[in-house]
Amino acid sequence: DQQVKQNSPSLSVQEGRISILNCDYTNSMFDYFLWYKKYPAEGPTFLISISSIKDKNEDGRFTVFLNKSAKHLSLHIVPSQPGDSAVYFCAAPNQAGTALIFGKGTTLSVSS
Amino acid sequence: NAGVTQTPKFRILKIGQSMTLQCTQDMNHNYMYWYRQDPGMGLKLIYYSVGAGITDKGEVPNGYNVSRSTTEDFPLRLELAAPSQTSVYFCASSYSSPMSNEKLFFGSGTQLSVL
Repeated sequence: DQQVKQNSPSLSVQEGRISILNCDYTNSMFDYFLWYKKYPAEGPTFLISISSIKDKNEDGRFTVFLNKSAKHLSLHIVPSQPGDSAVYFCAAPNQAGTALIFGKGTTLSVSS
Repeated sequence: NAGVTQTPKFRILKIGQSMTLQCTQDMNHNYMYWYRQDPGMGLKLIYYSVGAGITDKGEVPNGYNVSRSTTEDFPLRLELAAPSQTSVYFCASSYSSPMSNEKLFFGSGTQLSVL
């Protein structure tokens, strides 16, 4: 079973506060996890990734945390900005390493 | 830089019609992919290709065909369009296997409606 699950369809946050987007996975053999961001009428764009040998990766306002024992990762955005309003997808390579599998996405709305 | 280019951006088909969604990339990427996104759902892999002349099925290949005669182009063919194929289609490419943390670059999508 190679599933990546995002159980929260939406999240609303005020500007300046922290946004936390969550992702669970079922396959403990995943080597990498990635987050993609998608604006309406555009294709997804890569945001940040984390290797399974790490528990944290940071890039500016974006930090991804990986908890392997819980098979859970989260994306933290601090501080949140209105321009961060988008759909965020969690992804991981499939077992064959031939493509990415994606979660259903979480729509983040940041209000000013 | 053009990146991944998809055409058309929008299309309405009647049931039973056929069409080809075009995808081209100018990054000399070896891997190319077709995904579809239905409302409230993630991206589902339709077909992928690891190089010119090599294609394989993804998660939801039924009703579609692909070809990869060149490194740059990866067209997706819909034969006998059905309402279930109403979706947004994304083409993507990467230099090598996603297993090596390779990023996928996506086109802007094709909104297809089958009525």
